[in-house]
Amino acid sequence: AQKVTQAQTEISVVEKEDVTLDCVYETRDTTYYLFWYKQPPSGELVFLIRRNSFDEQNEISGRYSWNFQKSTSSFNFTITASQVVDSAVYFCALSEGIRDYKLSFGAGTTVTVRA
Amino acid sequence: KAGVTQTPRYLIKTRGQQVTLSCSPISGHRSVSWYQQTPGQGLQFLFEYFSETQRNKGNFPGRFSGRQFSNSRSEMNVSTLELGDSALYLCASSSSPKTGANTGELFFGEGSRLTVL
Repeated sequence: AQKVTQAQTEISVVEKEDVTLDCVYETRDTTYYLFWYKQPPSGELVFLIRRNSFDEQNEISGRYSWNFQKSTSSFNFTITASQVVDSAVYFCALSEGIRDYKLSFGAGTTVTVRA
Repeated sequence: KAGVTQTPRYLIKTRGQQVTLSCSPISGHRSVSWYQQTPGQGLQFLFEYFSETQRNKGNFPGRFSGRQFSNSRSEMNVSTLELGDSALYLCASSSSPKTGANTGELFFGEGSRLTVL
């Protein structure tokens, strides 16, 4: 069975600080996809990144960066120089094999960025 | 490009009633998935439809059902509502090809918030 663990329930930082969100997953599939989504107060889940299980290249996109380590089953996410608009709940998710419409989500980490 | 549209946004029902939620996917998207979000259980997969066929179903009782129309619009129905069905119901669409392997992301709507009294 799929399982995604986000150990951090809440993180509070002051603007311009960096924030790293941890995600650990369990799966028996050899091919799968990992995702990060952001959920602002409006409720809509906003896609941030998707990573294939066979692609461990880390990525930086603007203020966001991701660290995927298959050996430790971790897919961490960092926001550099956080801003108040980054305040949201962030979810890590894992697909059931290649069925990436069927996701198992972590419990989410609430990020609060204070001005 | 219009996003995923869900209606109604908010609704209140009483125990024992039934409810139907609607989802209009992004134009051209043929896959529609439904998720339930509650404070206790988090985000859980309900089911997914592609070309009017249910391809996959999560671990929910038979009171939860859905369908997809030829224009890819989808509805989900919950019968005999229970207090525990109070949740945010999220719909997502994607441009999934028939083989089942998606080429991109899931686009989510803002959800329908159901309160059961």
